[in-house]
Amino acid sequence: AQKVTQAQTEISVVEKEDVTLDCVYETRDTTYYLFWYKQPPSGELVFLIRRNSFDEQNEISGRYSWNFQKSTSSFNFTITASQVVDSAVYFCALSSIYNQGGKLIFGQGTELSVKP
Amino acid sequence: DADVTQTPRNRITKTGKRIMLECSQTKGHDRMYWYRQDPGLGLRLIYYSFDVKDINKGEISDGYSVSRQAQAKFSLSLESAIPNQTALYFCATSGAVGTRGTGELFFGEGSRLTVL
Repeated sequence: AQKVTQAQTEISVVEKEDVTLDCVYETRDTTYYLFWYKQPPSGELVFLIRRNSFDEQNEISGRYSWNFQKSTSSFNFTITASQVVDSAVYFCALSSIYNQGGKLIFGQGTELSVKP
Repeated sequence: DADVTQTPRNRITKTGKRIMLECSQTKGHDRMYWYRQDPGLGLRLIYYSFDVKDINKGEISDGYSVSRQAQAKFSLSLESAIPNQTALYFCATSGAVGTRGTGELFFGEGSRLTVL
């Protein structure tokens, strides 16, 4: 069975601090996809990144970076120099490549609060 | 206009009533999904459909049914609503990796349902 665990329920930081959101997953598939979504207070779900399991290169997009470690089944998300607008609930998710993507299994979410 | 539209956005109903949540999309995706979000539980998959003739149960399908009326329309029904179905419901679409998409989900804005 597939499972995604986000052990940090809530994180609170002060603006400009760096923060890392942890994501650990379980799957028997050898090939799979990992995702991060952001849910701001307005409630919509915003896609941030998709990572294929056969591509272990870390990725950076502006202040966001993702560290994929297949050996530890982790896909952690770091926000550098956090801003108040980063306050949101962040979800990590997993899907099997055998479904050609889709049918995502989500973690419980981490609520990030960035205070000015 | 949103690519994935859910109606109604908010609904308050009473125990035992039948409720239908509707979803329509203009993304041209074959795959559609219904998820439920509860605090601390993340998003859980209720039903999914990979094409018009395909309907599959997700992890929490009891008490729910769906209808895929067309490629662009996927509705969720609660035949006899109960209070623990109070939640935020999301419809989503995706294109299969390698065909019309890259596997990530595109979400509607959510339907908040309260069952008294």
